[in-house]
Amino acid sequence: NFMLTQPHSVSESPGKTVTISCTGSSGSIASNYVQWYQQRPGSAPTAVIYEDNQRPSGVPDRFSGSIDSSSNSASLTISGLETEDEADYYCQSYDRSGVIFGGGTKLTVL
Amino acid sequence: QIQLVQSGAEVKKPGASVKVSCKASGYTLISYGVAWVRQAPGQGLEWMGWISVYNDHIQYSQRFQGRVAMTTDTSTNTAYMELRSLRLDDTAVYFCARSVGATRFDQWGQGTLVTVSS
Repeated sequence: NFMLTQPHSVSESPGKTVTISCTGSSGSIASNYVQWYQQRPGSAPTAVIYEDNQRPSGVPDRFSGSIDSSSNSASLTISGLETEDEADYYCQSYDRSGVIFGGGTKLTVL
Repeated sequence: QIQLVQSGAEVKKPGASVKVSCKASGYTLISYGVAWVRQAPGQGLEWMGWISVYNDHIQYSQRFQGRVAMTTDTSTNTAYMELRSLRLDDTAVYFCARSVGATRFDQWGQGTLVTVSS
């Protein structure tokens, strides 16, 4: 079964840039689009990136997404970190079996 | 304004069933699919399946096949997810989400906590 692996946690200081990775277990991660969701404690997830690198309306351009076929991974990059960016982030893709989520990464902005 | 409003928290005993509703407003269910995603306490997101009226398609995760049923009522613009034979480890927050082409989710409900306890 296709799996997506994320680091359990990352931390960075306000104003800095952080990158969260999402590595596919098999096949090519570039074969299907990758989405990224932000989830703050006690709230539902919201999309911050869809179709690898597209930002939904209202998401600041500090958020960007990319695909690296050589490492079979997707990345979410957040620049100019703000304390409100502190949240859990999930990557998501799909295959013939359905939708797959990564395990999530807790971002701490300290 | 697009909204998905879910039914309230439930407490069930092992072996029972639960049915969670998800009422859409600001758009019609016919135009998009509805996915169900759950999150156990302190855990990540888990996709359960999705249903779409526009192409008459239902797909369930293998993990829930045989125990879950997803339906829609277009007259009330409401989607439902029923989970049967509940176990203690089914305790989770259950989310509905508007599904764009089965592959991504652009609007989410607020979540429904289902607690399974003897």
